[in-house]
Amino acid sequence: AQSVTQPDIHITVSEGASLELRCNYSYGATPYLFWYVQSPGQGLQLLLKYFSGDTLVQGIKGFEAEFKRSQSSFNLRKPSVHWSDAAEYFCAVGPYGGATNKLIFGTGTLLAVQP
Amino acid sequence: NAGVTQTPKFQVLKTGQSMTLQCAQDMNHEYMSWYRQDPGMGLRLIHYSVGAGITDQGEVPNGYNVSRSTTEDFPLRLLSAAPSQTSVYFCASSPRDSNQPQHFGDGTRLSIL
Repeated sequence: AQSVTQPDIHITVSEGASLELRCNYSYGATPYLFWYVQSPGQGLQLLLKYFSGDTLVQGIKGFEAEFKRSQSSFNLRKPSVHWSDAAEYFCAVGPYGGATNKLIFGTGTLLAVQP
Repeated sequence: NAGVTQTPKFQVLKTGQSMTLQCAQDMNHEYMSWYRQDPGMGLRLIHYSVGAGITDQGEVPNGYNVSRSTTEDFPLRLLSAAPSQTSVYFCASSPRDSNQPQHFGDGTRLSIL
């Protein structure tokens, strides 16, 4: 079955510390991979996406993610977290070469940032 | 440039009432989707459309109807609301080009009493 697992429901980090949010997927074919961020009361904003090529992708707001096919992972990282990064983060997978309107989402990781 | 617009932003219904959640996009995107977001479950696909006149079911379609008469609009209908449909609903759109991600609206928060 196709699925996305975000094992950390809630993470708290100190401002200025590094961050890594985990994402593992189960998919029958080569996937498209996405990270979205959701601030309270808002919709989802795309942070970054991986379709092909370089397995380390850069996104907005200083985020990056690395696709590791052997581990079926697409972890999100940021070297220094800012208080404004507090939000919920969703990893999602879609069919390679197919429409991106049928995404499978993980359950999300809620990030809190301590001053 | 409005992007994806959802109305209303909040709604409270009684069990058994009907309602239509509106979604409109001004980016001329062929693909549109409806998701529901529930605590601890992420977003789950309800229905989607690949163009005017074409719709299909997603993961959790029961209790919902959709139609796509124009490229711009993709309304979601609850024919007889149930408490289990209390959720936050998101509409999203994307172009036919498979290298382009979805754009999301700000959501509709729906409570069924």
